[in-house]
Amino acid sequence: QSALTQPASVSGSPGQSIIISCTGTSSDIGSFDLVSWYQQYPGKAPQVLIYEVTERPSGVSDRFSGSKSGNMAFLTISGLQAGDEADYYCCSYRQGRTNNYVFGSGTSVTVL
Amino acid sequence: QVQLQESGPGLLEPSETLSLTCTVSGGSMDRYYWSWIRQSPGKGLEWIGYVFSSGTTNYSPSLTGRLTISIDMSNSQFSLRMSSVTAADTAIYYCARGGALNLPDLWGQGTLVTVSS
Repeated sequence: QSALTQPASVSGSPGQSIIISCTGTSSDIGSFDLVSWYQQYPGKAPQVLIYEVTERPSGVSDRFSGSKSGNMAFLTISGLQAGDEADYYCCSYRQGRTNNYVFGSGTSVTVL
Repeated sequence: QVQLQESGPGLLEPSETLSLTCTVSGGSMDRYYWSWIRQSPGKGLEWIGYVFSSGTTNYSPSLTGRLTISIDMSNSQFSLRMSSVTAADTAIYYCARGGALNLPDLWGQGTLVTVSS
């Protein structure tokens, strides 16, 4: 099954805001408010930043925010910091032959 | 807090069966979905399948037929068995809490499984 589409890389300077997009279809992002975003450092397991499109787990900085429009979801990182350099993955529930969830292709964030 | 830990052999030969166990500590497994996810070297994340606390399972269409995911509530564990592995199954395997309408929210640290002759 095809992954959700993310840009391979996004970069920004410290203090700036960046937006990572995640493109799906009407079978996933477009029909369900079940989108999560994960941050993954090299050699580490992913950690959830956002769930249910806009919700932040306790302990996650409010510099991270999520949104959705149509078949696309977005992760905004405000006040970019060096520690934000990592890979970011979106994930959405997908209704289909087998109801399950699907991940994005991943975006590498570089802080210039 | 709830923690997950994968365990199992790290090296397999082609055609063997991969067997991994995830031990859940610090919380109940009841009324939750539990998933297996993998990440091939340098690649993205791939959902493998999940099991509900009742034992109901759901597998990735691309892997179904080779998979068995089971749960042992009495020992706070769930397991993955994948038959007839090939080099393409070399990956870091993660266990996670979540599945179906509850996307993964807690992950184990992952375990590398290498398939090589």
